[in-house]
Amino acid sequence: LAKTTQPISMDSYEGQEVNITCSHNNIATNDYITWYQQFPSQGPRFIIQGYKTKVTNEVASLFIPADRKSSTLSLPRVSLSDTAVYYCLVGDAGSSASKIIFGSGTRLSIRP
Amino acid sequence: EAGVTQSPTHLIKTRGQQATLRCSPISGHTSVYWYQQALGLGLQFLLWYDEGEERNRGNFPPRFSGRQFPNYSSELNVNALELEDSALYLCASSLTGQEKLFFGSGTQLSVL
Repeated sequence: LAKTTQPISMDSYEGQEVNITCSHNNIATNDYITWYQQFPSQGPRFIIQGYKTKVTNEVASLFIPADRKSSTLSLPRVSLSDTAVYYCLVGDAGSSASKIIFGSGTRLSIRP
Repeated sequence: EAGVTQSPTHLIKTRGQQATLRCSPISGHTSVYWYQQALGLGLQFLLWYDEGEERNRGNFPPRFSGRQFPNYSSELNVNALELEDSALYLCASSLTGQEKLFFGSGTQLSVL
């Protein structure tokens, strides 16, 4: 499984765009990149998933360069409610050897 | 559509006792994952069940065990409880072969 590296914490202000980058140098051909959001005392919530280039949904965008060794989660115009821990995961759930491993995540703090 | 449900919400045990935690996946999901999250820390992978079989387990002692029933619900058993087993235990479900996990709200286990 590809190991991921993310910043431990980030701070931003309401209305700003926040970009969280995840490094995954050993990503395999069949691996997808998935991001989750977790609030205190709750289970993580799926945000977005991608394989290459750019994926956008109603809450975020995911940018993946051609070499796929990193990815960037982009949150447009954040609000106080976006304060949470964000996890980047890389893996192939179709493999029988798969364990979906969460790293330490990035603790995002949004200020007024 | 009902999400992943876990019971009980809170569980208080004393050292040496056994705890049983339950999880009902989203209808149609065949994979169930269990994670342990100690206060302020990341998610530690415990177990993965799919189609009634244990597919993989994390680095936990054998006193952590579980099973998946024919209706795909799952049970996590922790024997000989230790103080450090106090944590939020999260269950997630997915369609087999899909990286997208849906989490429950967790069971907060406190060992006194």
